[in-house]
Amino acid sequence: DVKVTQSSRYLVKRTGEKVFLECVQDMDHENMFWYRQDPGLGLRLIYFSYDVKMKEKGDIPEGYSVSREKKERFSLILESASTNQTSMYLCASKAGGRGGELFFGEGSRLTVL
Amino acid sequence: DAKTTQPPSMDCAEGRAANLPCNHSTISGNEYVYWYRQIHSQGPQYIIHGLKNNETNEMASLIITEDRKSSTLILPHATLRDTAVYYCIVRAWTNFGNEKLTFGTGTRLTIIP
Repeated sequence: DVKVTQSSRYLVKRTGEKVFLECVQDMDHENMFWYRQDPGLGLRLIYFSYDVKMKEKGDIPEGYSVSREKKERFSLILESASTNQTSMYLCASKAGGRGGELFFGEGSRLTVL
Repeated sequence: DAKTTQPPSMDCAEGRAANLPCNHSTISGNEYVYWYRQIHSQGPQYIIHGLKNNETNEMASLIITEDRKSSTLILPHATLRDTAVYYCIVRAWTNFGNEKLTFGTGTRLTIIP
């Protein structure tokens, strides 16, 4: 069974803290994505990676960075968390090349106080 | 980027066909249309995709207009478990030639008993 695993389902952090959200996939996929989901705004793409150490900005990269040191792991980093980054974060992966199905993790709900 | 437009919400009676429209008037000739759905508190799941021909699988049918400017997802016999948010997406390409997968706000489908 294919699997995308996000390390934490729920996190509570304080303003200014550095936050790491981890995502691991076991399908040997080249492409990995981070989205955030907020009521009324749908899913918005933050960053994506198409290979180890390679990344591109999505539609809302401000305030975030990412790391892809190994093919199976894609980390989202909030250098200094702010209350407006309180959200549901979803990680996804897909095989390389054009087309193909996106597989999502269960999501990480982050609350920044 | 090809954008998609969907109605924010729809209702459908249980046992009837649910028809969910999507407008993608700026779609390019080689861009596929994908449909995903998200059941509350889970990650989105793939339903179906197509290029220009109508497609059918065990979950749904996808009807794409001849000019490809719009499509309709059909759930032939809706059940209460089909209550979810449905996303229509068109794949886009970055300036670096990488595939960018952008979701919109989707349609919240409610199946009425």
